[in-house]
Amino acid sequence: DAKTTQPTSMDCAEGRAANLPCNHSTISGNEYVYWYRQIHSQGPQYIIHGLKNNETNEMASLIITEDRKSSTLILPHATLRDTAVYYCIAGNQGGKLIFGQGTELSVKP
Amino acid sequence: DAEITQSPRHKITETGRQVTLACHQTWNHNNMFWYRQDLGHGLRLIHYSYGVQDTNKGEVSDGYSVSRSNTEDLPLTLESAASSQTSVYFCASSDSRRDYRTETQYFGPGTRLLVL
Repeated sequence: DAKTTQPTSMDCAEGRAANLPCNHSTISGNEYVYWYRQIHSQGPQYIIHGLKNNETNEMASLIITEDRKSSTLILPHATLRDTAVYYCIAGNQGGKLIFGQGTELSVKP
Repeated sequence: DAEITQSPRHKITETGRQVTLACHQTWNHNNMFWYRQDLGHGLRLIHYSYGVQDTNKGEVSDGYSVSRSNTEDLPLTLESAASSQTSVYFCASSDSRRDYRTETQYFGPGTRLLVL
């Protein structure tokens, strides 16, 4: 699995877009990028994944650079309930996920 | 609705005791995983299973064991609990019938274990 680098923490104003970056410069050509989040004391929750193209679902958008060495998770209109730790994961080994430290996002009123 | 449950949600035990944490999923997923999460850290994989009778060690498997006798359950056993195993334990499952690279893992609510 490729190693990922994320900022330790970020702040975002409620109602604004939250842009969470992730570097994964050693990702292989067939490895997906996955994003999960963990709200305090709960189990992690899947958000989105992508390979090359940008992806969007009801929760977020995922923008992957053309060289695939980095990506950005976008929460278009952050709410207080989006306060959580966000994990970027590059690749999985036979379905296994390797979690890093993640980014602690604080959405403030 | 299909779900994944863990029990107990909270457990206090003493050093040296055997402890079993239950994980039950109703999605009929082949893959099941156990992680532990310590304060200030991400999740670390303990054991995982790709199907009935299949079990594999993760990165922090010492002192833990699992068995998979049916699709729905993957109990995690601490053979002789140690204080270093005080942690929050999460179970997860995923469907392996598609491309494993696009699998989504669904996590349970966690079990908080305190070993005194």
